[in-house]
Amino acid sequence: DAGVTQSPTHLIKTRGQQVTLRCSPKSGHDTVSWYQQALGQGPQFIFQYYEEEERQRGNFPDRFSGHQFPNYSSELNVNALLLGDSALYLCASTLAGVKYNSPLHFGNGTRLTVT
Amino acid sequence: GESVGLHLPTLSVQEGDNSIINCAYSNSASDYFIWYKQESGKGPQFIIDIRSNMDKRQGQRVTVLLNKTVKHLSLQIAATQPGDSAVYFCAENRGPGNQFYFGTGTSLTVIP
Repeated sequence: DAGVTQSPTHLIKTRGQQVTLRCSPKSGHDTVSWYQQALGQGPQFIFQYYEEEERQRGNFPDRFSGHQFPNYSSELNVNALLLGDSALYLCASTLAGVKYNSPLHFGNGTRLTVT
Repeated sequence: GESVGLHLPTLSVQEGDNSIINCAYSNSASDYFIWYKQESGKGPQFIIDIRSNMDKRQGQRVTVLLNKTVKHLSLQIAATQPGDSAVYFCAENRGPGNQFYFGTGTSLTVIP
């Protein structure tokens, strides 16, 4: 049973560029959330996708956008990259539906470095 | 910012001893809590969860305690092993949906 998979594992970009990160949820899951984890910090919620729509959003600017596909996979896009966007980007999926009391299952993340 | 915090950023214990990791949360409406373990280069791994209608839950070698009166959560690890060395996070679900807020984390080091 495949868990959450993310690609690429590492990425280096230059300030001002755009980046797309990809995530495939755990089998049977249909809700995908994205988190940003700065070095030495806990993950910070970016947004959540369910039924191909953004359902919840954290305190992140519009430069951060996403998409969910019919097969439940998801992309995170970041435009106009800043040095402060350097972080580990984590994708997490949950069991069917947007509901309470379902643990998040995380991938191993994409390490983004902005130079 | 979001206030799910840990009092002790680092913790060192002897192999075989019990470990206790603490977490404070600020939102009294939070109804679901999870402890995660994160090893270097990996994503957070689920350890144990607890709902707000419970005050204690036990797993294999781990116990989570929830004190809603003081908004405090703790993770107890029995007979700590070198493989338990990692960063531990508590996360709270403030709802609706599974929108979790994480603390800064506690780095646990097990001394052989």
